[in-house]
This record gives sequence, C-alpha cells and structure tokens, in this order.
Amino acid sequence: DQQVKQNSPSLSVQEGRISILNCDYTNSMFDYFLWYKKYPAEGPTFLISISSIKDKNEDGRFTVFLNKSAKHLSLHIVPSQPGDSAVYFCAASHSTNAGKSTFGDGTTLTVKP
Amino acid sequence: GAVVSQHPSRVICKSGTSVKIECRSLDFQATTMFWYRQFPKQSLMLMATSNEGSKATYEQGVEKDKFLINHASLTLSTLTVTSAHPEDSSFYICSAGTTGELLDEQYFGPGTRLTVT
Repeated sequence: DQQVKQNSPSLSVQEGRISILNCDYTNSMFDYFLWYKKYPAEGPTFLISISSIKDKNEDGRFTVFLNKSAKHLSLHIVPSQPGDSAVYFCAASHSTNAGKSTFGDGTTLTVKP
Repeated sequence: GAVVSQHPSRVICKSGTSVKIECRSLDFQATTMFWYRQFPKQSLMLMATSNEGSKATYEQGVEKDKFLINHASLTLSTLTVTSAHPEDSSFYICSAGTTGELLDEQYFGPGTRLTVT
C-alpha cells in the first residue's frame, strides 16, 4: 500500500510557464509535508515544506498548496527555469515521529528553453 | 547549507562479500542519521534510523543482521551490507540532522550505487 503517490512520472513545461507537480496521500495521520529536488547521482535537497495547520506556503518561485480534505498537495513553480529540471519528490510524515518520512516515487520535471 | 558526504559513490562487489558505506556530516554534528535505499524509478525507502551512541532502529522488513548500522560519532555513520546478493543492488542514501525532528533540517548525502555481481 503506497501511502504517498505522485501519479505523474514526468512533466514537461516551457521556460517561463508554471509547473504544477501533484502529490496524493492516503494516511490521515500525516501532518507535515515536504518537497525535495533531486539531480542525477546526487542526494535530494530540501525545497519547501508545509504543516497541516496551513493550506499554503510560499518561498520565492515555489509555492506548496495543501488540501487536507482531498489529501492532496501540489507544488507550483513560477516562472519555471531550465535549471529547475530535476526529479521532485514529495514526502509526508507525522509530527509524533517527524524524523521518519514516506516518499512518493518522484516526478521528473523538464523545463524547455 | 550543511554538507553530507558518502563514500564510496559507486561500488561493485561479488555476491557473498560485505560492503561498507560511510556517511559523514562535514560541517555539523549529526545526532540522527537515516539510511534509505532507492530502486530505479521508485521512491526512497527508509531502512533505519541511527542515533549516535545507540542501536539503530530498523524499519519493518529490513534485516538488521544483514544491514549493519554503526553511528559511532556525531559525524560518522556506516552501513555495512553483509553477504551481499544481487538483489541488494540499489542506490543507498543517508541523511543527517541535528535535531532528528524536522525533516527540513535533514541533509542528504549524494548516495552510493551498489552493484552486486
């Protein structure tokens, strides 16, 4: 049973446009969510997070939206840049054991110049 | 940001041998380190959590006798894959943190590609 799902394995957008990456979860105990960016042969790097008490968190070009009723979160990147091309993972955890996380399978984003 | 290194970056070994992977926090003291493995086009699967000076906590389904974890200092944790078999071939990634609580305070290493022939 995969508790965190990223249903789109890949996404391609034009430079300057918006990239929207989606993530769904099934475990209602999750209350802390994160997005990571990963380049080939490198470890993931933290991008942005959101706790369940919020429905939106913004950091520069990156905004994460959380819809708790739908158990859905999304990452918006605007404007998209070629350097944003990477694999994006969403991860979820529960505050009572926040050090442990469950990751989605990742979405490969390609931003075309 | 903080830097976490892993060594080796790639290793090829024969079936039945043991392989040790090191994870180091280079510019901070890591009270907690996590070990993950990732199969191609799949998510990172948490294998175990290690705290400095204590035994690692393994996730369900992970054999503690096969994947030996040692966290002897605040800057070094090692994962030893004992009696490796081809099905152990995978990408192993560690992460290190100072609080062991918030994941955005964890920093990932670059990973180690293990191939067992």
